[in-house]
Amino acid sequence: DTEVTQTPKHLVMGMTNKKSLKCEQHMGHRAMYWYKQKAKKPPELMFVYSYEKLSINESVPSRFSPECPNSSLLNLHLHALQPEDSALYLCASSQGGRDRNIQYFGAGTRLSVL
Amino acid sequence: AQSVTQLDSHVSVSEGTPVLLRCNYSSSYSPSLFWYVQHPNKGLQLLLKYTSAATLVKGINGFEAEFKKSETSFHLTKPSAHMSDAAEYFCVVSVLQGAQKLVFGQGTRLTINP
Repeated sequence: DTEVTQTPKHLVMGMTNKKSLKCEQHMGHRAMYWYKQKAKKPPELMFVYSYEKLSINESVPSRFSPECPNSSLLNLHLHALQPEDSALYLCASSQGGRDRNIQYFGAGTRLSVL
Repeated sequence: AQSVTQLDSHVSVSEGTPVLLRCNYSSSYSPSLFWYVQHPNKGLQLLLKYTSAATLVKGINGFEAEFKKSETSFHLTKPSAHMSDAAEYFCVVSVLQGAQKLVFGQGTRLTINP
């Protein structure tokens, strides 16, 4: 099983709302990632968790707050977003620790901020 | 810094004809390179990876890529295009900066004409 599951698939929220994106994997991977992808652009890395600790934060605004409750689960908490934050948010996981490791991607959450 | 450049933003071929998607890389050491495919409104799926073993790498769905150090290239090919190959293709180099980071090319949109 190489599945990364993301929920919800679609999300519409206002600029004052608080919402969360969820990502789950059961491959025993110890690294998990959040990416943001705008239309017709490649994914941009936001956060990396390695062994449940935040390893990389690519200078993401604080209105995005990641959380890794356990090795299988990754959340992205959203608060006071802007319309320009509308995008496809992708989660990925890998065994971690080596540059040759394969990252497996979920199908993404399509976020619209009104 | 490691990077990849996809030489074509859009490639259009007829069904049954060969596919060539071009990628050049920049790296100070032997890189880990990947090709990912993204169908519309979907996540990313790994096609193949190169990690310094055989220079000709075979992937899924009949795709293959050849690592050429002298040309710093990692072009993706398929002998005969199928309608289902229409998608966005990303050439990716993997780096270690405390954790694994994927550096994406800008993508090549492949269109298949009937």
